[in-house]
Amino acid sequence: AQKITQTQPGMFVQEKEAVTLDCTYDTSDPSYGLFWYKQPSSGEMIFLIYQGSYDQQNATEGRYSLNFQKARKSANLVISASQLGDSAMYFCAMRALSGGYQKVTFGTGTKLQVIP
Amino acid sequence: DTEVTQTPKHLVMGMTNKKSLKCEQHMGHRAMYWYKQKAKKPPELMFVYSYEKLSINESVPSRFSPECPNSSLLNLHLHALQPEDSALYLCASSQPGQENTEAFFGQGTRLTVV
Repeated sequence: AQKITQTQPGMFVQEKEAVTLDCTYDTSDPSYGLFWYKQPSSGEMIFLIYQGSYDQQNATEGRYSLNFQKARKSANLVISASQLGDSAMYFCAMRALSGGYQKVTFGTGTKLQVIP
Repeated sequence: DTEVTQTPKHLVMGMTNKKSLKCEQHMGHRAMYWYKQKAKKPPELMFVYSYEKLSINESVPSRFSPECPNSSLLNLHLHALQPEDSALYLCASSQPGQENTEAFFGQGTRLTVV
């Protein structure tokens, strides 16, 4: 079975500061993908960044970077230079084989609020 | 085009009604998903279609009936729902067998059962 854990139900960050959202995972599949999604109050899930289990380098996408520590099974999201529009729920997710099928499992989410 | 389009955006239905949620994508993805998301909770997988065939049913009650008429469309037929079925229903698509590709999500349908 696969599991994603996000231990921070809520986070506050000052505008223009950096913030790290934590994510740990567990899977027996040696080949997996880790994703971060942003969900504003409107409901849509917006893909932010991806890290593959065999990738040697940490993924970066603009202001988003993923701090991937495979031995510790962690995939933390770092948002640099926070903006007011970054206020949203953030979900860590993992795609891996489970029961013979590719399944995506989500963590419980972290609600980020950016303070002006 | 990286959009997944869901209709309607909002739906209010009575417990005796029959309604359908629709999802459409034109990215050539051959895996499509239905998720249910309650307030302040993560999305929970309901169904997965792979190459237009149902591959995963996460023990969803039969009052939810999925249908994949072609590779671009995914429907969720609703009948005799309960108030606890009120939630955001999200559709997603991806390429099957490629764990290094993200799933694209629609904006969801906010369903209220009265």
